[in-house]
Amino acid sequence: DAMVIQNPRYQVTQFGKPVTLSCSQTLNHNVMYWYQQKSSQAPKLLFHYYDKDFNNEADTPDNFQSRRPNTSFCFLDIRSPGLGDTAMYLCATSREAGFAGELFFGEGSRLTVL
Amino acid sequence: GDSVTQMEGPVTLSEEACLTINCTYTATGYPSLFWYVQYPGEGLQLLLKATKADDKGSNKGFEATYRKETTSFHLEKGSVQVSDSAVYFCALSDRGGSQGNLIFGKGTKLSVKP
Repeated sequence: DAMVIQNPRYQVTQFGKPVTLSCSQTLNHNVMYWYQQKSSQAPKLLFHYYDKDFNNEADTPDNFQSRRPNTSFCFLDIRSPGLGDTAMYLCATSREAGFAGELFFGEGSRLTVL
Repeated sequence: GDSVTQMEGPVTLSEEACLTINCTYTATGYPSLFWYVQYPGEGLQLLLKATKADDKGSNKGFEATYRKETTSFHLEKGSVQVSDSAVYFCALSDRGGSQGNLIFGKGTKLSVKP
């Protein structure tokens, strides 16, 4: 059974039209992560939550926001998507932060910005 | 900053051939090292890990040894199967540099032909 579930799996949006991607987990893990993976590139960490504490990577654009209303859910909001935001967005969880160890990933949400 | 470099793909092998995927890293501290695998249509999942120098991680016939002197963590398998076809990601987690978050290589796609 899937433990980290991402929705939608595929999303097409227009330039500038806001998008929200969701992630839910049944593992009761403290930490949730959002990664961006562009074609043929390494997954890049955008931000993570340790419980309710939000940690933004220094080079994550302001256009990207996140919400974690409870332990199980985390959302990625892209306020005004640009063509360069076309990518796979990966959600992951881990029991604890720091020296991450095993991360559990969802299947990803593939976003296309036209 | 911390980084991971792995060999360019795609790698195409015949069934039962030997596999080596090279991975080297740069880190400020003493990282843990990981190989993640992404099968078609699925999320990333941990394949194996090593947390200190000279440790060997192993799983499903795959092995990798943490070599501090060469800053390497090459993935090996003696006899690949068609079911091993996937994208393989080398990653590190460095408490000092990346604050424990995972830093990935670009991935190496492996195709195994019957």
